[in-house]
Amino acid sequence: NAGVTQTPKFQVLKTGQSMTLQCAQDMNHNSMYWYRQDPGMGLRLIYYSASEGTTDKGEVPNGYNVSRLNKREFSLRLESAAPSQTSVYFCASSPGLGTDTQYFGPGTRLTVL
Amino acid sequence: GEDVEQSLFLSVREGDSSVINCTYTDSSSTYLYWYKQEPGAGLQLLTYIFSNMDMKQDQRLTVLLNKKDKHLSLRIADTQTGDSAIYFCAESYNQGGKLIFGQGTELSVKP
Repeated sequence: NAGVTQTPKFQVLKTGQSMTLQCAQDMNHNSMYWYRQDPGMGLRLIYYSASEGTTDKGEVPNGYNVSRLNKREFSLRLESAAPSQTSVYFCASSPGLGTDTQYFGPGTRLTVL
Repeated sequence: GEDVEQSLFLSVREGDSSVINCTYTDSSSTYLYWYKQEPGAGLQLLTYIFSNMDMKQDQRLTVLLNKKDKHLSLRIADTQTGDSAIYFCAESYNQGGKLIFGQGTELSVKP
């Protein structure tokens, strides 16, 4: 089992460009999450998907969209990147919502110039 | 609102015990977690404790929970250089599946 995988590992964008971060899990988990990590701020939830076909906003959803393509895959899209979106992005999955343990991918380091 | 606070840095000598502290505000939390993040890597679950427990021990790790004071600690016995990392505490509760993370404590272990 690979667990949670993310692509790409690194990305540099110019302001206004768009891109999609990919995430996949092979643990048959129902719930998936996108977080961003900024220095001194811990991780903050951007969007989550309780189950296939549903998505909900987290703490910091502005400037992002998500797609739960199927049970395995959950993508995060930046339509018009801004320097404030420079961050490390983590995808996570869990068997269900609420108290189930979340398992994290290795992260995508995004820089917006 | 929910908030989780941790001190940012801790430095110990190899072989000593490390104690990383965390305070949280949401009394409805059901689970509290400790995650470890090594440089350039994702978060690895170390251990967790259910909110009706006071203590949990797992090899070199001891988690203490004081619900009255909303204080959580992680003790690492016989700390090794390989324990150098950032440690995050997080709380979860049965609303929306969110994990609320602290800022992370960077543990530095000196030989």
